[in-house]
Amino acid sequence: DVKVTQSSRYLVKRTGEKVFLECVQDMDHENMFWYRQDPGLGLRLIYFSYDVKMKEKGDIPEGYSVSREKKERFSLILESASTNQTSMYLCASSLISASPQETQYFGPGTRLLVL
Amino acid sequence: DAKTTQPPSMDCAEGRAANLPCNHSTISGNEYVYWYRQIHSQGPQYIIHGLKNNETNEMASLIITEDRKSSTLILPHATLRDTAVYYCIVRQHPNTGNQFYFGTGTSLTVIP
Repeated sequence: DVKVTQSSRYLVKRTGEKVFLECVQDMDHENMFWYRQDPGLGLRLIYFSYDVKMKEKGDIPEGYSVSREKKERFSLILESASTNQTSMYLCASSLISASPQETQYFGPGTRLLVL
Repeated sequence: DAKTTQPPSMDCAEGRAANLPCNHSTISGNEYVYWYRQIHSQGPQYIIHGLKNNETNEMASLIITEDRKSSTLILPHATLRDTAVYYCIVRQHPNTGNQFYFGTGTSLTVIP
């Protein structure tokens, strides 16, 4: 079974803090993704990566950056947390790229509260 | 983008089959239909996907109409643990990005 783990289930930070969210997958997947999920808005893609040190912006990259130094690990960074970044953050990974049969596997999510 | 339309909520009696409909009338020929579900406060879980033939796995069956404009996810014997939000997603052509567009889904409640 694919396993995607996220470093924290719940996180509370203060406005202006730098926040790191870590995601690790154990299935040697090339692709990794960061989404945020907000009520009424569904899942929105922040960034994704298709290889080590590669990254692509999703729909809402502003205020975020990412790092992929190793294939199994994809980090989401909030450079200066703001209250509008309070959300559920979901990491996902997938094996096949550029194929309509790609299946993404999700981690359990990190619920971030910025005060 | 091919969009999907799902009812916002459904109930199903425990032990009965749950049939969750999805309309995707603008689907194109190379787009797959995916189903995920999300149990409260957890990450989405992959269920099944298909192109035009009916598919079955250990979790569910997927029935896609011949014109591919709609599909139905069937949970053959719903249990209380199947209470979740179910998302029907049409997979975008990969050239436009590798993301899945999750809508608001169907909130399924399995009733004892």
